[in-house]
Amino acid sequence: NAGVMQNPRHLVRRRGQEARLRCSPMKGHSHVYWYRQLPEEGLKFMVYLQKENIIDESGMPKERFSAEFPKEGPSILRIQQVVRGDSAAYFCASSGLAGGQETQYFGPGTRLLVL
Amino acid sequence: EDQVTQSPEALRLQEGESSSLNCSYTVSGLRGLFWYRQDPGKGPEFLFTLYSAGEEKEKERLKATLTKKESFLHITAPKPEDSATYLCAVTIRRSSGSARQLTFGSGTQLTVLP
Repeated sequence: NAGVMQNPRHLVRRRGQEARLRCSPMKGHSHVYWYRQLPEEGLKFMVYLQKENIIDESGMPKERFSAEFPKEGPSILRIQQVVRGDSAAYFCASSGLAGGQETQYFGPGTRLLVL
Repeated sequence: EDQVTQSPEALRLQEGESSSLNCSYTVSGLRGLFWYRQDPGKGPEFLFTLYSAGEEKEKERLKATLTKKESFLHITAPKPEDSATYLCAVTIRRSSGSARQLTFGSGTQLTVLP
């Protein structure tokens, strides 16, 4: 009974490198959300995806950040040319529709440290 | 602006000392209110969903209630293993359609002392 899976759990990058964060939703879920938790701050929405579609990216920075959820494989959050301010915990959540009401279940997160 | 405010920021209780956490919200239209528990270094763990004023949900020592302006998470006779950060979040109805993303409060850090 696998829940939401994220990898890697910890990622260290130097400034200017790329970071790729992966998320596999719970079995049967087709909706994926990415959230960011900066140190000493609350969880903030970044992007909402369904298979092969970005539904809402209103919380994602306009530059350097991108997300995808291909037909096959995990959802990917990609951060290009990382800066120190990108250091945070990145959480993925997934949901399915149960009686028209949906609950988001979270993965363990990827902790990104930019040196 | 849609806003979710949790209080207190931190709460220390003795084992067995019941209390309540508050989540007040100011949103254009509430779709759902969610409570999560987050342990250090882990992802949020789902506890409850509430959809309409007057609704209540219970699970072990926890009980969540909802009014038109706020939600309470009541903890009865807490144990040290209940120590965690408790997060409140909402989804919002918009004129363009319901927004499915969660808007979180900043959380209440609960410590239960043995």
